[in-house]
Amino acid sequence: EVQLVESGGGLVQPGRSLRLSCKISGFTFGEYPLTWVRQAPGKGLEWVGFIRSKTYGGTTEYAASVKGRFTISRDDSKSIAYLQMNSLRTDDTAMYYCIHDSTGYAYYFDYWGQGTLVTVSS
Amino acid sequence: DIVMTQSPDSLAVSLGERATINCKSSQSVLYSSNNENYLAWYQQKPGQPPKLLISWASTRESGVPDRFSGSGSGTDFTLTISSLQAEDVAVYYCQQCYSNPRTFGQGTKVEIK
Repeated sequence: EVQLVESGGGLVQPGRSLRLSCKISGFTFGEYPLTWVRQAPGKGLEWVGFIRSKTYGGTTEYAASVKGRFTISRDDSKSIAYLQMNSLRTDDTAMYYCIHDSTGYAYYFDYWGQGTLVTVSS
Repeated sequence: DIVMTQSPDSLAVSLGERATINCKSSQSVLYSSNNENYLAWYQQKPGQPPKLLISWASTRESGVPDRFSGSGSGTDFTLTISSLQAEDVAVYYCQQCYSNPRTFGQGTKVEIK
């Protein structure tokens, strides 16, 4: 059974950093990309970015709103993905979901974690 | 970036009646080399992560009731719930995966009239 479990969320002050983790099980993580999507309270879905598998260079893509501040990485040996968030702003407050896409190309988001809530506030 | 615009923002439909949600992309999401539309529909109920309903614009995911159907091509797409059930009350999102950044529509809230 595919499972994704996010952790690391919490209350953080503006300008500070936070690192989220996504622990994966139920499939061979190293063969697939991993996507992050966020949702501000009461708002819609916003794609944050994704990391390709090592087969495709392990490269990353980001939304303009987080580029240069957020970094996605992966540790295939531990089946964990990370979202390093720096220079946090109040508008980064959201539920953050990590997602597995079984197509292997980060097209369709068929497995979601339950999310971890990040609140940026002074 | 491809902008996804859904309409309406909300709709109220009687039980057993048809619900129709539209999604328009600012540029085509049809990939000519394979004639596939890179468009998905998701359902999100309160307190839950979204659930993938339809991929490739019209392919229903395993376990999704057949009252849900997707149609359209190019820039104009539709999600239809043929006979609304109480458990279909949710917010529905379209999403394109034709290019980066992947983008979602703003969501359509479906309620019971």
